[in-house]
Amino acid sequence: EADIYQTPRYLVIGTGKKITLECSQTMGHDKMYWYQQDPGMELHLIHYSYGVNSTEKGDLSSESTVSRIRTEHFPLTLESARPSHTSQYLCASSEVATPSGANVLTFGAGSRLTVL
Amino acid sequence: QQQVKQSPQSLIVQKGGISIINCAYENTAFDYFPWYQQFPGKGPALLIAIRPDVSEKKEGRFTISFNKSAKQFSLHIMDSQPGDSATYFCAASWSSRLTFGEGTQLTVNP
Repeated sequence: EADIYQTPRYLVIGTGKKITLECSQTMGHDKMYWYQQDPGMELHLIHYSYGVNSTEKGDLSSESTVSRIRTEHFPLTLESARPSHTSQYLCASSEVATPSGANVLTFGAGSRLTVL
Repeated sequence: QQQVKQSPQSLIVQKGGISIINCAYENTAFDYFPWYQQFPGKGPALLIAIRPDVSEKKEGRFTISFNKSAKQFSLHIMDSQPGDSATYFCAASWSSRLTFGEGTQLTVNP
């Protein structure tokens, strides 16, 4: 069973509110990621981190920000939520598998955000 | 820019049939090609993966076929079962970053 946890699972919030989506993993993985999943299924990388104090923007531009102060924790924050931010947000962490050397991602169950 | 294109968007198969999902990629630097399976309310989970130096990989009823020259790879699900009904994503990886295809919603009818 995956050891990566996301809270809240569901959040309905009004426009202009600040929200933080929490993501924690107990596997000691250095690499962590945030993906945004459209209602039509497609996954887009919005942020990633290769270690403490390291964060980078992903392929899809996002108004959210992330921080990585501890290895196990990778929260995502929206300072002022808007209806266009309504989506499913998936957190993942990864390790390099041996002996293949492949980067294997483990996903959390997701946080579904609805902004009214 | 969509670097991994997946088809079909949806697929309906009868129990016992073969499900085939296709993907094509553009970036020749990709060096790892996994398939992920996602059930409703869950995050995607790794199903099977292949390196570009191998043309085929089989794990149980699931097989990846890989064509490096055509920059295409596909997932075959043999003897499809209703429990296989899920969304399937192909992906391609380079430098620890995964790019996903658009996803295929598979329905296996009993």
